[in-house]
Amino acid sequence: DVKVTQSSRYLVKRTGEKVFLECVQDMDHENMFWYRQDPGLGLRLIYFSYDVKMKEKGDIPEGYSVSREKKERFSLILESASTNQTSMYLCASSPTTPTYEQYFGPGTRLTVT
Amino acid sequence: QKEVEQNSGPLSVPEGAIASLNCTYSDRGSQSFFWYRQYSGKSPELIMSIYSNGDKEDGRFTAQLNKASQYVSLLIRDSQPSDSATYLCAVKEAGGGNKLTFGTGTQLKVEL
Repeated sequence: DVKVTQSSRYLVKRTGEKVFLECVQDMDHENMFWYRQDPGLGLRLIYFSYDVKMKEKGDIPEGYSVSREKKERFSLILESASTNQTSMYLCASSPTTPTYEQYFGPGTRLTVT
Repeated sequence: QKEVEQNSGPLSVPEGAIASLNCTYSDRGSQSFFWYRQYSGKSPELIMSIYSNGDKEDGRFTAQLNKASQYVSLLIRDSQPSDSATYLCAVKEAGGGNKLTFGTGTQLKVEL
């Protein structure tokens, strides 16, 4: 079974803090993704990576950065947390060809106060 | 802007009935299609994938794909209260790199 783990289930941070969210997958998948999910807005792609040290912006990259130094690990960084970044953050991984199906981690519910 | 559309619901069905969830997509070149189930407060879980026209069955679930009409559906037979969740449709678009485009989901409620 594919396993995607995230460093925290719940996190509370103060405005202006630097926040690190980590994601690890154990299936040797090439692709990794960070989403945020808010009520009524669905899943929105923040960043994704298709290889070590490679990254591409998703639909809402502003205020976020990412790091992928090893194939199994993909980190999301909030440089200076703001209250509008309070959300559920979901990490996913997927193989490339031929199927592309994504497997999600349990999610991190981040609250910025 | 490529789109995946789902009715947000809620779709209410009685226990034991067939639940039918629908999804339309805009990219005619899309090749891979997925259904995810998401319980409240949890992350999405992959339940079905379908790649060619027709039906694909897995237990109580059947995915149906019609590329000419650009829709994909999920049927849940003998619906149970434990099937109550939000169901997300996802599409791998042609030329979209390795990303999936997700619909916003349909909330299903199975009533006793």
